[in-house]
Amino acid sequence: DADVTQTPRNRITKTGKRIMLECSQTKGHDRMYWYRQDPGLGLRLIYYSFDVKDINKGEISDGYSVSRQAQAKFSLSLESAIPNQTALYFCATSDPGTGGLTDTQYFGPGTRLTVL
Amino acid sequence: AQSVTQLDSQVPVFEEAPVELRCNYSSSVSVYLFWYVQYPNQGLQLLLKYLSGSTLVKGINGFEAEFNKSQTSFHLRKPSVHISDTAEYFCAVRTNAGKSTFGDGTTLTVKP
Repeated sequence: DADVTQTPRNRITKTGKRIMLECSQTKGHDRMYWYRQDPGLGLRLIYYSFDVKDINKGEISDGYSVSRQAQAKFSLSLESAIPNQTALYFCATSDPGTGGLTDTQYFGPGTRLTVL
Repeated sequence: AQSVTQLDSQVPVFEEAPVELRCNYSSSVSVYLFWYVQYPNQGLQLLLKYLSGSTLVKGINGFEAEFNKSQTSFHLRKPSVHISDTAEYFCAVRTNAGKSTFGDGTTLTVKP
């Protein structure tokens, strides 16, 4: 089984709808992240959480919100979806490891969201 | 703040040829450097990382990268590529605060 899972894998929705993307992990990591990927723009950080009570905005948080329901679950919501939120969304986890140096990120398979 | 520039958006090469994917970065603080690979319809996977020590880092699938502090570069190399190396490659920097910044990606296409 995959260590980081995302649901749904694909979603088509209409402008103005509320959408929730879910991420679960079995790696036991405290740190979780949401990114969006757009062609030619790499990955941009939306929100990140270093533990259940710690939520931080990334570089493009406007129009998004998150919920860290448990160590293993981190959900991303689009309160009122708009077409320019059409993108590929990735969840990731990491573990700072000894001395906080290792911190490799492990990515889920992605959710392809289309807003019409 | 930090930034990452991947100098080539597309790199086409023939099978068994060597390849170099270039990455430059800027940062006001010390960073750790990573290369990730994304195969079609998949998430990103770690290829290699530089944390400290030897500036030549070896990763999976025969890839290696060299950290050059004076030139603020972390170029990825492979001496002989395979068709299966066709993918998108991302360079990333990470600070002690735990935030990553990714480059825009380089699409490597290996032709027979």
